[in-house]
Amino acid sequence: NAGVTQTPKFQVLKTGQSMTLQCAQDMNHNSMYWYRQDPGMGLRLIYYSASEGTTDKGEVPNGYNVSRLNKREFSLRLESAAPSQTSVYFCASRSGQSGSYEQYFGPGTRLTVT
Amino acid sequence: QQQVKQSPQSLIVQKGGISIINCAYENTAFDYFPWYQQFPGKGPALLIAIRPDVSEKKEGRFTISFNKSAKQFSLHIMDSQPGDSATYFCAASRRGNTPLVFGKGTRLSVIA
Repeated sequence: NAGVTQTPKFQVLKTGQSMTLQCAQDMNHNSMYWYRQDPGMGLRLIYYSASEGTTDKGEVPNGYNVSRLNKREFSLRLESAAPSQTSVYFCASRSGQSGSYEQYFGPGTRLTVT
Repeated sequence: QQQVKQSPQSLIVQKGGISIINCAYENTAFDYFPWYQQFPGKGPALLIAIRPDVSEKKEGRFTISFNKSAKQFSLHIMDSQPGDSATYFCAASRRGNTPLVFGKGTRLSVIA
């Protein structure tokens, strides 16, 4: 049982390049989330998917797109990377069912945009 | 609008002492309040959580105190150890799959 996995672990991009961050969970969770973490800013929600087939914007969605590929996988795409998107990105998942509230995080992707 | 305010930003505690981190929330619809622990280079890990139907929850050396009327909750780490040195985040959400809203974190250093 791997929990939440993310790939890649590290990435360096040049301004304007695109990339997709991958996330998968094996806990049969309905809800999945993408956060970014910057020093002094805590964890800010980018996008989330409450259930398979739905996605919604979070606090900081500009410059990102997401795809809920199936119940297990939720990807985050940067179409044209900017230095302001240098950050650590975390994927998380949660059951989404009544009575089950725990949210679990992946190990993160450290992205640098030069 | 920051819905969960966390303090202090950083905290230094002597080994064996008590670490206290406070959070305040605004949305009275919140009914789930977890604390996460994060070590450098790792993802946040769920430490302990509380629902508003109880005022305190204890797991080992970690205790959450909850004050519904004041809309505040706090994490107490008893007998703090150097291994507890990490960043701690409080969070809150409504039931089900509503996203967690996080505080900005507290960097705890426990010194011998």
